[in-house]
Amino acid sequence: QVQLQESGPGLVKPSETLSLTCTVSGTSTSSYNWSWIRQSPGKGLEWIGYISYSGSTNYNPSLKSRVTMSIDSSKSQFSLRLTSVTAADTAVYYCARDLSRNRPLVLAYWGQGTLVTVSS
Amino acid sequence: EIVLTQSPGTLSLSPGERATLSCRASQSVSGSQLAWFQQKPGQAPRLLIYGASIRAPGIPDRFSGSGSGTDFTLTISSLEPEDFAVYYCQQYGSSPGTFGQGTKVEIK
Repeated sequence: QVQLQESGPGLVKPSETLSLTCTVSGTSTSSYNWSWIRQSPGKGLEWIGYISYSGSTNYNPSLKSRVTMSIDSSKSQFSLRLTSVTAADTAVYYCARDLSRNRPLVLAYWGQGTLVTVSS
Repeated sequence: EIVLTQSPGTLSLSPGERATLSCRASQSVSGSQLAWFQQKPGQAPRLLIYGASIRAPGIPDRFSGSGSGTDFTLTISSLEPEDFAVYYCQQYGSSPGTFGQGTKVEIK
């Protein structure tokens, strides 16, 4: 079955870069769009953006200047980088996949989430 | 961006009762590209409904969605104990995709 698993540091210092990887199994990263979403008590669920299987990206304008997503199909992984973090970036970060190729951006498969805390 | 407003904030009901959750958009949702998710503590959101009214694979038929334009509804026809959770709507028709703030369905 389709499984996604986020990994990365749970603690990041202010002004530094948050880096997360999502490892995928039971499906190929050579298809579908691959999304990142975060959830914080203050802002609820927030869509960060997605990267397609071809490498094209679409980022939330509120984060666009600080976000970079990449994909490595040879490793069945895709990644998120968020620069210049502040306490407001503290959240649970989720990776997710479309339901199907003809149902893009329907977020059907989610990782379990990883808590990232921004603190010195 | 499209702002989604969910009501009520909390719904207190008993098992077996009907739950009706509302999601209102600040502008028309393109192609009725609206989804509903269920989230339990410590878990990721679970897709229930997409395209405003299409149940996701494996979702029981007590869950139904309706609506178009700016007004959408999620109905749970008869609440089971496992249905007590927080529910979110999300629109994915316009970028950026946005989520509502959630409705908590709690046991009365």
